[in-house]
Amino acid sequence: AQKITQTQPGMFVQEKEAVTLDCTYDTSDPSYGLFWYKQPSSGEMIFLIYQGSYDQQNATEGRYSLNFQKARKSANLVISASQLGDSAMYFCAMRGDSGGSNYKLTFGKGTLLTVNP
Amino acid sequence: DAGITQSPRYKITETGRQVTLMCHQTWSHSYMFWYRQDLGHGLRLIYYSAAADITDKGEVPDGYVVSRSKTENFPLTLESATRSQTSVYFCASSEWSTLSGELFFGEGSRLTVL
Repeated sequence: AQKITQTQPGMFVQEKEAVTLDCTYDTSDPSYGLFWYKQPSSGEMIFLIYQGSYDQQNATEGRYSLNFQKARKSANLVISASQLGDSAMYFCAMRGDSGGSNYKLTFGKGTLLTVNP
Repeated sequence: DAGITQSPRYKITETGRQVTLMCHQTWSHSYMFWYRQDLGHGLRLIYYSAAADITDKGEVPDGYVVSRSKTENFPLTLESATRSQTSVYFCASSEWSTLSGELFFGEGSRLTVL
């Protein structure tokens, strides 16, 4: 079984500054994948970034990067140069390589990010 | 339009009534999922399916029934709605079972049980 923990219910950041959203995970699977999704106030779920457990480099997608520390079981999302449109709920999720049900994603409780002008 | 659509988007019902939330995807993705989103709980998996006629229980399946007679449809039924089932329900699909296969979500169905 997988578990995702997001310890920050809410975060505030000034526009143009960087912000880190924390995510720790727990799994006994030898390989796994980590995801971040964004949910703006309109409600849709938007995929942001993916990191595989055996990837040698941290994933990056534009202003998003994933600070993956395997030994610490953390997969923090870093947003550089925050914009007002980054205000949203952010979810960390993972998928483990555990037999026949390895296609489901387990989500954390989310972090609500507010970008201040 | 191609994609994944949910209906209805908003539904108000009464305790004890049966409610069915529809989910339709046009990508022919093999894998489909139902999650519910509640404040303080994030997204929790209700049921998922790997193919037509193959379904599995997720984390919170009690009170829900699913079927998948066709690849493109994955309806979720609340047989006797309870107030605790007031939530936002998301349907999602995925093409591959690989670790990196992202989920594509519908717009969500907001259900209120009075």
